Amino acid sequence: DVKVTQSSRYLVKRTGEKVFLECVQDMDHENMFWYRQDPGLGLRLIYFSYDVKMKEKGDIPEGYSVSREKKERFSLILESASTNQTSMYLCASRLGAGGEETQYFGPGTRLLVL
Amino acid sequence: SQKIEQNSEALNIQEGKTATLTCNYTNYSPAYLQWYRQDPGRGPVFLLLIRENEKEKRKERLKVTFDTTLKQSLFHITASQPADSATYLCALDGGFQKLVFGTGTRLLVSP
Repeated sequence: DVKVTQSSRYLVKRTGEKVFLECVQDMDHENMFWYRQDPGLGLRLIYFSYDVKMKEKGDIPEGYSVSREKKERFSLILESASTNQTSMYLCASRLGAGGEETQYFGPGTRLLVL
Repeated sequence: SQKIEQNSEALNIQEGKTATLTCNYTNYSPAYLQWYRQDPGRGPVFLLLIRENEKEKRKERLKVTFDTTLKQSLFHITASQPADSATYLCALDGGFQKLVFGTGTRLLVSP
């Protein structure tokens, strides 16, 4: 079974803090994704990566950056957290480049920025 | 503008009945569409994929249809059970190997 883990289930941070969210997958998947999920807006893609050190902007990259130094790990960084970044953050991985392939999601990190 | 619409109101049905959830889209030409299940506080879990050249796909008590003329997918759960209560998300081919998700419909199955 594919397993995608996220470093924290819940996080509380203050405005202006630098925040790191980590995601690890154990199935040697090429592609990894970061989404945020907000009521009424659904899942929105922040960034994705199709290989080590490669990244592509999603639909809402502003205020975020990512890092993929190893194949199994994909980090989301909030350089200076703001209250409008309070959300549920979901990481996902996918075996190959085909968009129709299944995405496997982690359990999510609920981030509250005060 | 591009839109994916799922009914934002919860669907309440009785155990044993068939639940039908709708996903409509505008200004997309998806080659495929996926359905996911999401339980509270958890990440979505993949259920079914249907391609544009397939009219219907089944998996156990689940059935998905895909009508590219109507720009609509229907997701059916037959003989529904309380354990089927969850939010169901449709996701379609947004181009460039990306999935675009709907906001989901919450299903509540009462005993």
